[in-house]
Amino acid sequence: NAGVTQTPKFRVLKTGQSMTLLCAQDMNHEYMYWYRQDPGMGLRLIHYSVGEGTTAKGEVPDGYNVSRLKKQNFLLGLESAAPSQTSVYFCASTSWGTNSPLHFGNGTRLTVT
Amino acid sequence: DAKTTQPTSMDCAEGRAANLPCNHSTISGNEYVYWYRQIHSQGPQYIIHGLKNNETNEMASLIITEDRKSSTLILPHATLRDTAVYYCIVRVAYRTGNQFYFGTGTSLTVIP
Repeated sequence: NAGVTQTPKFRVLKTGQSMTLLCAQDMNHEYMYWYRQDPGMGLRLIHYSVGEGTTAKGEVPDGYNVSRLKKQNFLLGLESAAPSQTSVYFCASTSWGTNSPLHFGNGTRLTVT
Repeated sequence: DAKTTQPTSMDCAEGRAANLPCNHSTISGNEYVYWYRQIHSQGPQYIIHGLKNNETNEMASLIITEDRKSSTLILPHATLRDTAVYYCIVRVAYRTGNQFYFGTGTSLTVIP
């Protein structure tokens, strides 16, 4: 099993450009999450999904959109990138179990110039 | 609101036990405590979790106080490969789903 796979691994955008980050998991997990991590800080939740076709806002949702059209995929979109969105983005997934841990991907490093 | 509070950094001698504390004074009765670690900029790696009772697995032990307001992660025999940032996390169940709140973590350095 590959676990949680994020693509791309690195990306550089110019201010105002758009892009989509893809997260794919092969563990049949219901829950999926997008986090961002800035230097010296912990991970902050952007958006999450409890199942196909459903999404919800986390702590820092502004400037991002998400979609969960298939159970195994969770997409994070930036419609008009800003330098403040320069960060490392992590995707995670977990199952319905009451105490199931999160499984993380290896991150996408995004720089907005 | 910070759900968890951890010291910024700690050192531990190789071979000794590393005890990493975490305060979660606002935790509710059904909220789990999880511990993860992150090496360099890789994705966080799960270590252990618990609700009320102390827990042990092949990686670590988790001691939760009786009032559940704090916990301690114990790495019994720290090695150089345990140098990492350790995160104490509270999982909160909302009507819209479970959310996992990360603190700022403790940077553990294991010294030869």
